[in-house]
Amino acid sequence: NAGVTQTPKFQVLKTGQSMTLQCAQDMNHEYMSWYRQDPGMGLRLIHYSVGAGITDQGEVPNGYNVSRSTTEDFPLRLLSAAPSQTSVYFCASSYSWGTQYFGPGTRLTVL
Amino acid sequence: AQKVTQAQTEISVVEKEDVTLDCVYETRDTTYYLFWYKQPPSGELVFLIRRNSFDEQNEISGRYSWNFQKSTSSFNFTITASQVVDSAVYFCALSEARGTSYGKLTFGQGTILTVHP
Repeated sequence: NAGVTQTPKFQVLKTGQSMTLQCAQDMNHEYMSWYRQDPGMGLRLIHYSVGAGITDQGEVPNGYNVSRSTTEDFPLRLLSAAPSQTSVYFCASSYSWGTQYFGPGTRLTVL
Repeated sequence: AQKVTQAQTEISVVEKEDVTLDCVYETRDTTYYLFWYKQPPSGELVFLIRRNSFDEQNEISGRYSWNFQKSTSSFNFTITASQVVDSAVYFCALSEARGTSYGKLTFGQGTILTVHP
């Protein structure tokens, strides 16, 4: 199993550009989540999904969109990037009631 | 609302010292899970332990031990005889154990542990 994979590892955007962070898992997990990590603030939940076709907002959803058309994939879309979205982004997955396992992260810089 | 507080921002120890990382949490739920994750300098998040709110038994795994006390809402993590490889950021996290809330982790701010040779 590859576990949870994320692409790209690094990305630099200009303000106003859009992009999609990819997340995939091959463990048939129902739950998938996106977090952002900022210095001194731990990780904060952006969006999560409890299964294909079902998504919900987390603590900091503004500026981000998600969809879940398959069990395996959970992409995160930035519609119009802002410098405040400079962060490290982690995707995670788990079975119901299971432990969440994290991908390697994507480091995003918005200029 | 849930909250996790790791009051120790940074801890510095010398190799072979014991070190305890504190974690205090707030939740209105009676059923919840507590976690510790390690983030080494390479950046990935490594799962260390999960504890159910109904299980207050302390746990030991090698040099690692965890002390869960519901009475003080604390879930502290002790590393015995620390090693340089223990240098990392450690996160405590909480999730409610009902419905879809399980997929939502609330993290503390993290404690940076540096172990000097």
